[in-house]
Amino acid sequence: KAGVTQTPRYLIKTRGQQVTLSCSPISGHRSVSWYQQTPGQGLQFLFEYFSETQRNKGNFPGRFSGRQFSNSRSEMNVSTLELGDSALYLCASSLGLPETQYFGPGTRLLVL
Amino acid sequence: KQEVTQIPAALSVPEGENLVLNCSFTDSAIYNLQWFRQDPGKGLTSLLLIQSSQREQTSGRLNASLDKSSGRSTLYIAASQPGDSATYLCAVKGGANNLFFGTGTRLTVIP
Repeated sequence: KAGVTQTPRYLIKTRGQQVTLSCSPISGHRSVSWYQQTPGQGLQFLFEYFSETQRNKGNFPGRFSGRQFSNSRSEMNVSTLELGDSALYLCASSLGLPETQYFGPGTRLLVL
Repeated sequence: KQEVTQIPAALSVPEGENLVLNCSFTDSAIYNLQWFRQDPGKGLTSLLLIQSSQREQTSGRLNASLDKSSGRSTLYIAASQPGDSATYLCAVKGGANNLFFGTGTRLTVIP
C-alpha cells in the first residue's frame, strides 16, 4: 500500500503571497490531519478533516485553511504569507479516531 | 491545554548501550500515546502506539511504557546502533483526533 504523499516537497514564496499544499492519504484512510513544524514551536496541530468536514482545529489564524475532497485528498492553503510561516508542513492520515496516524514526508516552505 | 515535555533534549551514547528516553504530559485524560522517529528533514515514522488502557508495547529492540496516572512514558532502546540516530518524539492524543507533541530528544549513537 502506498504511503501518505505530499506535494510539492519544497516551496519558496515571498511575503504576501499565498500557497496551496496537497496531501494524498493512504488508500482507505478518511481522516487527514495537518501539522506545522518549526524549530521554535516544534510540532503543532493545524486541523483535521474527516469525510470532507473539518472535525478539529488548532490555534492558528484564519490565514490557514484547508479542505478535503471526496477521494479524501486534502489541501491546505495559507494566504498572505509571513516570514514566520516558514516551516515543515506535515500531513497525517488514519482510518479514524483510535487508529495510528501515518505521516507523509512533508512540504518544506520557505517564505522570503 | 495538554503540554508534553521530553527529557533530555539531546543524548549521545556509544554503540551497544541501552538507553531510556522520557516523556511527560500534564493531562492524564489521554486516548493513547505514540512514539515517533524523525530523521533530519524527513517526516515522522511511527514506532510504537500505547492505548490508554495498556501499560507497555514492544517492537524489536524498542519497549515503551505508559503510566497514565503519573503522566509519564518511557522509550527503552536496547543495544543501540548508529542507525538509531534520529530525533525521537512522543505525542499524546486526547479526545479529538489531534496529537500533542513533545519537543523531542535528539539521539546520537557513536560507532
